[in-house]
Amino acid sequence: DVKVTQSSRYLVKRTGEKVFLECVQDMDHENMFWYRQDPGLGLRLIYFSYDVKMKEKGDIPEGYSVSREKKERFSLILESASTNQTSMYLCASSSPQGWGTEAFFGQGTRLTVV
Amino acid sequence: AQTVTQSQPEMSVQEAETVTLSCTYDTSENNYYLFWYKQPPSRQMILVIRQEAYKQQNATENRFSVNFQKAAKSFSLKISDSQLGDTAMYFCAFFNAGNNRKLIWGLGTSLAVNP
Repeated sequence: DVKVTQSSRYLVKRTGEKVFLECVQDMDHENMFWYRQDPGLGLRLIYFSYDVKMKEKGDIPEGYSVSREKKERFSLILESASTNQTSMYLCASSSPQGWGTEAFFGQGTRLTVV
Repeated sequence: AQTVTQSQPEMSVQEAETVTLSCTYDTSENNYYLFWYKQPPSRQMILVIRQEAYKQQNATENRFSVNFQKAAKSFSLKISDSQLGDTAMYFCAFFNAGNNRKLIWGLGTSLAVNP
């Protein structure tokens, strides 16, 4: 069974804290993604990575950074958390080949910044 | 730039009935994939069905089928014999096979199946 695992289901952090959201996949996928999901706004892409140590900005990268030191792990970093970053964060992975364009998702991390 | 539009923010259907969710997209590409994803209240997004643009035959997965109209750039999802477990957010997504990186998402349709 394919699996994408996010380190936390729920997280509460204080304004100004540095926050790490971790995502691990066991499918040897090249592509990994971080999305933010807010009601009425759908899924918005924050960053994605198509190889180890490679990253590209998505649609809303401001206030976020990412790290991909190993193929299976993709971390999202909030350098200084703010209340407007309260949201559901979804990690996904996919392979660039053929039917592998299907994206597999983690269970999501509900982050609250107080 | 490609866009995906889901014009129905919310829908409801009675159990055992059929419901159709609409999706339109805009692209100048010829080689692409279209997807419907489901996100139940537990939040894990899963793939429902997918369609390759060069295939004329509409995809079918059990009770789920699509009506793919390439010229009209329309990709609707039909759920037959609706079940309570079909209650979820449904997202339509577009993937450009020439840009092998990321999905373009619609804003979603919240479907409630009523007993």
